[in-house]
Amino acid sequence: GAGVSQTPSNKVTEKGKYVELRCDPISGHTALYWYRQSLGQGPEFLIYFQGTGAADDSGLPNDRFFAVRPEGSVSTLKIQRTERGDSAVYLCASSLGASGANVLTFGAGSRLTVL
Amino acid sequence: GNSVTQMEGPVTLSEEAFLTINCTYTATGYPSLFWYVQYPGEGLQLLLKATKADDKGSNKGFEATYRKETTSFHLEKGSVQVSDSAVYFCALSVGDTGRRALTFGSGTRLQVQP
Repeated sequence: GAGVSQTPSNKVTEKGKYVELRCDPISGHTALYWYRQSLGQGPEFLIYFQGTGAADDSGLPNDRFFAVRPEGSVSTLKIQRTERGDSAVYLCASSLGASGANVLTFGAGSRLTVL
Repeated sequence: GNSVTQMEGPVTLSEEAFLTINCTYTATGYPSLFWYVQYPGEGLQLLLKATKADDKGSNKGFEATYRKETTSFHLEKGSVQVSDSAVYFCALSVGDTGRRALTFGSGTRLQVQP
């Protein structure tokens, strides 16, 4: 597609529920990133995919968070047993590759609210 | 570790005023530096970047120079417009291959009044 697409744009859920957030990157972009942006803060890195594999998941806060990218394109961020502190905007970004010269293109984000 | 520090906002200016938003960084290795902008209701967009010391990034009248000696990458614009109202994020990345994640500052909100 023309840009990075994220769905849903807004998700309200109850504490303890399971949530999936989807990211559809720019066609041909091999690198995909997930970030989390809390209110009034800059985005914080969660996980990075190169192709189908998670090359770096050091930013995932705990084992309730998991992400997949089975075919090297669309990615899903999965959050189990959601907590109120998980409320944030989850951003996805993609780039052509992993070299230092490549620029990340961000999606508009998925706003998650845990009640 | 890597970190980015930005001046706190909001910064409120009148149209056509001069803008400076300060950004300093700490990094292991030699980072690339970026300014991203987030307009109301929109996603983060790259504004400009610089990949080595003394490089100047520029776009849409904005400029920033990579200063290794002061570990700074201050954003400047000579004459701001109302349409420049947004949140500006300074960021860095380290390494040419492998993990290319960005480390962001906390953002500076700019409000330009007509």
